[in-house]
Amino acid sequence: GAVVSQHPSRVICKSGTSVKIECRSLDFQATTMFWYRQFPKQSLMLMATSNEGSKATYEQGVEKDKFLINHASLTLSTLTVTSAHPEDSSFYICSARVTGTLDYGYTFGSGTRLTVV
Amino acid sequence: AQSVTQLDSQVPVFEEAPVELRCNYSSSVSVYLFWYVQYPNQGLQLLLKYLSGSTLVESINGFEAEFNKSQTSFHLRKPSVHISDTAEYFCAVMLRGAQKLVFGQGTRLTINP
Repeated sequence: GAVVSQHPSRVICKSGTSVKIECRSLDFQATTMFWYRQFPKQSLMLMATSNEGSKATYEQGVEKDKFLINHASLTLSTLTVTSAHPEDSSFYICSARVTGTLDYGYTFGSGTRLTVV
Repeated sequence: AQSVTQLDSQVPVFEEAPVELRCNYSSSVSVYLFWYVQYPNQGLQLLLKYLSGSTLVESINGFEAEFNKSQTSFHLRKPSVHISDTAEYFCAVMLRGAQKLVFGQGTRLTINP
């Protein structure tokens, strides 16, 4: 149980375009989801906390207007990278946990490798 | 604020040898502790966790970790590694009552035949 599905797994886009990444909790409801960014050979950096039905909470230094997060339902959160540039190329990972329990820890999506050309 | 330090960025070992990946944390309050494994181009998978109770926790694939409160450590061990254990390993902590996971820098475990 506690599976998080993330799509797409890879995306290549042109500079200046926008890209949407989806994160779905398949067998549980996730009131809160988290979005991370991971640079090569580095740890995960929390970008924002996504709360169902309300605005996301962004970490210091993360541009809200560039990384738009929407959490419209208890099973879906999306991250849209707007006006993407090559420096936005990275591995993006979402995570969630079953509310009220840590039995599964935090479940992570399989990640999205974004390449901006 | 809490922090996590993984002392080794890379650990190369031979197959069937034992391994220990070190993790130390800093926190003024009680924490939950986790180890995650990441295979290339994939998300993170929970390996094991310490929430409460027995300080020695085990995973299904032979890893174990021991919570040592006095040394604020949660080192990961395996008595005999396999080629398939090659991956990046992340230690993480979460304050009790909080939601955020704080990750260590990661340790790349490389198994040589």
